This record gives sequence, structure tokens and C-alpha cells, in this order.
Amino acid sequence: DQQVKQNSPSLSVQEGRISILNCDYTNSMFDYFLWYKKYPAEGPTFLISISSIKDKNEDGRFTVFLNKSAKHLSLHIVPSQPGDSAVYFCAATLYNTDKLIFGTGTRLQVFP
Amino acid sequence: EAGVAQSPRYKIIEKRQSVAFWCNPISGHATLYWYQQILGQGPKLLIQFQNNGVVDDSQLPKDRFSAERLKGVDSTLKIQPAKLEDSAVYLCASSLAGLSGRAGELFFGEGSRLTVL
Repeated sequence: DQQVKQNSPSLSVQEGRISILNCDYTNSMFDYFLWYKKYPAEGPTFLISISSIKDKNEDGRFTVFLNKSAKHLSLHIVPSQPGDSAVYFCAATLYNTDKLIFGTGTRLQVFP
Repeated sequence: EAGVAQSPRYKIIEKRQSVAFWCNPISGHATLYWYQQILGQGPKLLIQFQNNGVVDDSQLPKDRFSAERLKGVDSTLKIQPAKLEDSAVYLCASSLAGLSGRAGELFFGEGSRLTVL
């Protein structure tokens, strides 16, 4: 039962362009949504989050959009840089818990 | 500030053998998690501790996996006996409990990669 889904296993984008990573979820009881970034041989690191009561959160080059009616969120990276090449995990927390449920990840490659 | 420390980084064992992983969380973090990440999948929560008490171990295969958090600081995760399907990266994470930290913001260690032959 995959409650958080990332249907694109990989994405390739040219440096300077926009990267859009997508995530769908099924559980209406999620209250926070997060994106984590993972480099090889390292643990995931927190990137950005959004509360379920908001529809947009921006932090520098990173913006997360939440569409609750469609149970969909996306991460926009503008402009993309080679250092952004990593695996990005979408995750969600159940209401009033710290339990994180992760998607399967999308590997982003930013080429020059 | 020191991050989450884990050891060993790599371990290769044969099936039916036992293995133990150690984790030292960030100082002051009350909540500690063990996640299992199988290749091609996202991390899956095995167990969550709040100080030295278990909050959630619903996905821990208790017939072979055990975990403890001594004195609410360090933690060990043990697998005995190991199966082929236990091959994965075992990630330890810690967080500030309650309103002190951002919801869902966990700090992960580098992980312990287990290969079961």
C-alpha cells in the first residue's frame, strides 16, 4: 500500500532550466509534506516542507506546491544547478505524529 | 554541531548470521528512528523511540529484529537471524520532539549498508 507515490524514477534537466518533481498521495490524514534530498553514500537531508493548510512554500530556488483536491504536490527548482543532481524523496507526516512516510524517490540529473 | 553517527558503514554476512548496528543521535534530540531502505525504494520506518520508550514499532519484524535505546541516547538495532531480504541500508535519524523543531524534519546518519549472502 504505497501512500506516497513518485511515478517518475528519473529526470534529466539542463543547467539553468526548471526542474519539476512530482508526488501523489492517497491519505487525507497527512498534515505536512516534505522533500528530502539524498546524495550517494549519504543520508537524506531535509530540503523544504509545506503544511497541508497552505498551497505554496518558497525557499530560495526551491518552491513546493500543494494541490489538496488532486492529492498532488510538486517541487520546482529554478534555476537548476549541477549540484542539484541527487535523489529527491517526497515524504508526508500523519496528523499529530512524527511518522514520515516516504515515496520511492526521483533521481534528478542536471547536465551542463 | 556533530551529526548523527552510525557504525559500521558496511557489513557483509551470510544468511542466518546476526548483525548489530549502532547509532548516536544529535545531542539533545529526544526522538530517534531506525529506517530500512531497500534498493530502489524509499526509507521505511522500523521503530521510533521517544527518549528510551518505544513510540512506534508496528513495522519492525519482531521475530528477527530488535532495538533498544539505552538511557535515552545511543541505540542499537539487531537482526538475528538475517535473511537475504534484509539486505538494505539501515538509516538512523533523530529529531527535536514537539514544537521545538519543524514537523517531519529528521536528521539522518550516513547509514549502514548490510549485504546478506
